Amino acid sequence: DAGITQSPRHKVTETGTPVTLRCHQTENHRYMYWYRQDPGHGLRLIHYSYGVKDTDKGEVSDGYSVSRSKTEDFLLTLESATSSQTSVYFCAISGSSGNTIYFGEGSWLTVV
Amino acid sequence: GQQVMQIPQYQHVQEGEDFTTYCNSSTTLSNIQWYKQRPGGHPVFLIQLVKSGEVKKQKRLTFQFGEAKKNSSLHITATQTTDVGTYFCAVPRAGTASKLTFGTGTRLQVTL
Repeated sequence: DAGITQSPRHKVTETGTPVTLRCHQTENHRYMYWYRQDPGHGLRLIHYSYGVKDTDKGEVSDGYSVSRSKTEDFLLTLESATSSQTSVYFCAISGSSGNTIYFGEGSWLTVV
Repeated sequence: GQQVMQIPQYQHVQEGEDFTTYCNSSTTLSNIQWYKQRPGGHPVFLIQLVKSGEVKKQKRLTFQFGEAKKNSSLHITATQTTDVGTYFCAVPRAGTASKLTFGTGTRLQVTL
């Protein structure tokens, strides 16, 4: 498996609280992604990064922000969590655009 | 906008039966990738198809890319219980090669 670590792996939080999920890679890959997975929707891209401090929105970016201050770390922040953001969040990395994507093991987030 | 349809959503087979999932795009694709996700796990890359009409095999799995590069299929011969999981196709998002759009997946259940 690719060297991707997500933390926390499981979290329960209350509506309205901020939450930050961390993705750390040891592969020195340029591209990093955050996806969410929900029943009936498959995997949907939230945000992605194509380099340090270079990020762009995906298809479901509302309510989320990201930061990438180092090649190896990509943070996903929910400024004020809502129940609709209860989901499994996957970080992924890629060495070059359009190339194979390697996924982390996922972070299960429950917003109550 | 670009649409990726994957069918069927779910299939239940007896061990030893064959299985096929189909991925259809509304636009011509530069390439298509297939991923497998075991229950409770993360998506894992299986293969990438690039050429029109391309056929690739991995043991009991056969992948095809349509002549028009708008559709693809994954066929498993003589399924085994280890084939259980959800199979996703993924295509480059229109206008960019660095973001993938995933199909909604086909969940395969195999029983003895």
